[in-house]
Amino acid sequence: DAGVIQSPRHEVTEMGQEVTLRCKPISGHDYLFWYRQTMMRGLELLIYFNNNVPIDDSGMPEDRFSAKMPNASFSTLKIQPSEPRDSAVYFCASSLVVGGHPNIQYFGAGTRLSVL
Amino acid sequence: RKEVEQDPGPFNVPEGATVAFNCTYSNSASQSFFWYRQDCRKEPKLLMSVYSSGNEDGRFTAQLNRASQYISLLIRDSKLSDSATYLCGVYGGATNKLIFGTGTLLAVQP
Repeated sequence: DAGVIQSPRHEVTEMGQEVTLRCKPISGHDYLFWYRQTMMRGLELLIYFNNNVPIDDSGMPEDRFSAKMPNASFSTLKIQPSEPRDSAVYFCASSLVVGGHPNIQYFGAGTRLSVL
Repeated sequence: RKEVEQDPGPFNVPEGATVAFNCTYSNSASQSFFWYRQDCRKEPKLLMSVYSSGNEDGRFTAQLNRASQYISLLIRDSKLSDSATYLCGVYGGATNKLIFGTGTLLAVQP
């Protein structure tokens, strides 16, 4: 079975440019999560969706960040305009519901973003 | 205080040693607990879930102490291949957020 698929794997862009990260969750999973990982702050939850609906975006750092999930098999995280401090690894993860709650999360390989 | 805290390490141990990590959490209503392993420049991967009664998987043992609000991971007979960062994950209370600690770096030396 294919796992969570993210693209691109690496992105290098210049400050001020728009960046779009993509994620395809595991088929049948109800929850999708976007995380950001840096050395300083570790793995931070940015936003998560349940059945394509955004549930909690309190981790989104500011209005420059937005996320969508137009259908069960696709989600995007957009940064516009990008800034050097956005440089990080962005992970997408998906999960099944077990007992009414999301359970084990499976991560994609991540997108390594560098904003120059 | 952070919701989930771990000693960042590094823990440098010789092959064959036994090593233990703790992870404390602040939300007493937390229900689900996990240990993930992350290799350098890779994604986190589930190592094991942590059950109330404690559980074992080969050389790995996970335990939960609700009274003191921490989970632990014990690795026996360490292998070079165990070198990685170990992240604990805690589902907080009524939310469906999995909050991760910053990870503990383990380096097993030959």
